[in-house]
This record gives sequence, structure tokens and C-alpha cells, in this order.
Amino acid sequence: DTEVTQTPKHLVMGMTNKKSLKCEQHMGHRAMYWYKQKAKKPPELMFVYSYEKLSINESVPSRFSPECPNSSLLNLHLHALQPEDSALYLCASSQDTVRGGYEQYFGPGTRLTVT
Amino acid sequence: SQQGEEDPQALSIQEGENATMNCSYKTSINNLQWYRQNSGRGLVHLILIRSNEREKHSGRLRVTLDTSKKSSSLLITASRAADTASYFCAASGGSYIPTFGRGTSLIVHP
Repeated sequence: DTEVTQTPKHLVMGMTNKKSLKCEQHMGHRAMYWYKQKAKKPPELMFVYSYEKLSINESVPSRFSPECPNSSLLNLHLHALQPEDSALYLCASSQDTVRGGYEQYFGPGTRLTVT
Repeated sequence: SQQGEEDPQALSIQEGENATMNCSYKTSINNLQWYRQNSGRGLVHLILIRSNEREKHSGRLRVTLDTSKKSSSLLITASRAADTASYFCAASGGSYIPTFGRGTSLIVHP
């Protein structure tokens, strides 16, 4: 199984809502990532988890809160978002981050709209 | 930043033609990867080339790396309409975390 799944596919939320994005992989990968992608732009790294510990936070606002409950799951909790946070949120995983540079497997993304 | 910069930003060709995309980066890298993204969907990994490699092939794809010029190219031979997508290079330095360039939008006309 070389698939990364993400739920939901689409999400519309108001600025006062609290919601969560979910990501799952069963490839035994020990690194998982959250990216944000605006239209016609490259993915921007938000967070990296390595062996279930947060290893990189690219100065992301606190209204985005990542969580890695176990080695297969990655969540992104959203609270008090702004309209400019509307984007495609991509989850990815790789075998490891630091040894040899492994390819990333991406999920299909969650299209988030903040109203 | 290791960010790659693709060139051209957009490329329009006829089916059967070859498509070449270039990527330049700023500092030393450990590896460089190429990804494809169909409109509004997740990225698909195409090829990883390490800093000690000069060329790699995968099916109709050929990637070259010139570390002296800090550049890489992706060649798609005998293109098909299904190759229509955005293509990103991602360069990895000491942290091994790839940083994506702005991408090349490829349109292949049937």
C-alpha cells in the first residue's frame, strides 16, 4: 500500500469554527509533513514530524496546530482561521527525513475554504 | 534557501514532441527531486537524483544534474496529452527537507 489518504476532500469553515484535517499512511514511514499550497504556487512546508515528534515548524501561525497521535496518523487542527488561509492542504510522508533524502508520497489534499 | 526555480514557467507543445524543463538552485544540495501535479491534486514523485549522479532515466523521463552550474533538467520524450500537468523540482540541502520551486505548467495538445 503506497497510498496517503486525507480527509475531508473539501472543507468550508467560518472564521470562528474549529475543524481538523486528517492524514493517514500505512507504509511504515517515519516522517510526515503538512504543506499549504495556494493556486498556481508551489507547496509551502508548514510542519515536519519525525518519529512522531515535531521536528520542523516553519513559523506557522498558532491557529494551525499539528498533532501526530501515532506513526500512521497526522492531524492538523484549525481554529480562528482567516480567509487568506484558504488553500489546498497537502499531507506527505517519507521513509525518513535525514538519511539519504527519501522521496515523499503525497495525499490528494484537502481543499479548504474559509468564509 | 535551497529553492529550485523552474524555467520555463509555461510550456505548450503538440503530442509526440519532447518537453524540456529546467531547474536552477542556489546552494549545494544532497539531492534533487522532480514531481508532477495534476490540477488541484496531490503531487506524484517522478525521479530523485543524488548530488553524485549526473543522469537518471525512468521510462520516458530523463533527468540530468549539473552541480557545477547548480541546475537540473527534466526531459519528457514523446509527450502525451496525459502528461499535461505542473512539474516541480525540489532541492534538498543539509536538512534533507525538499524545498519546491515555482513549477512549470506543461500543456500537451492532442
